[in-house]
Amino acid sequence: SQQGEEDPQALSIQEGENATMNCSYKTSINNLQWYRQNSGRGLVHLILIRSNEREKHSGRLRVTLDTSKKSSSLLITASRAADTASYFCAPRTGGGNKLTFGTGTQLKVEL
Amino acid sequence: EAGVAQSPRYKIIEKRQSVAFWCNPISGHATLYWYQQILGQGPKLLIQFQNNGVVDDSQLPKDRFSAERLKGVDSTLKIQPAKLEDSAVYLCASSGPGQSSYEQYFGPGTRLTVT
Repeated sequence: SQQGEEDPQALSIQEGENATMNCSYKTSINNLQWYRQNSGRGLVHLILIRSNEREKHSGRLRVTLDTSKKSSSLLITASRAADTASYFCAPRTGGGNKLTFGTGTQLKVEL
Repeated sequence: EAGVAQSPRYKIIEKRQSVAFWCNPISGHATLYWYQQILGQGPKLLIQFQNNGVVDDSQLPKDRFSAERLKGVDSTLKIQPAKLEDSAVYLCASSGPGQSSYEQYFGPGTRLTVT
């Protein structure tokens, strides 16, 4: 497995705005996952995008994957205070289910 | 379905003491993981079990950390003796069979403070 690098490290927005965070990785992947961690619900899987997919939606979440640039982005639309959390990407390479997390993007949504 | 259970939720010990953490994965999940998350960092995998066999323990400090999953269900992670740098949240996760094995379900964690 390899570690994804999330960018920015921290992001502060107003409720109702959109939040975009990015993930870069170094080698070819099979899939890439996004996880969210907050004090209330702990670490939770958000979405998985496979290497042959370019975009995926889940509710207010939109994930894109650009394998030529070795990058992914997570867009949260119409953000809410409850979206305040750390967001991690986890690129998966080869067999096995090992996940390697970076330091994450700390998102703060203010009222 | 019930989630991943962990206990205790909090533990404070002095350095050189020993400590054990317990995890019960989601029913039917064959794969179990232990992660260490130091404040300000992402979780780091310590050990991965498939049923009761170890798949990956490359980042487990084996001189002081041990883990077991004797019956392929619940698991125990032990630290003996603890060091100050072991202060962290210890997360247990599990994953199911087939395509669903990619998604890991995490427990609430055990916050360890070593003084």
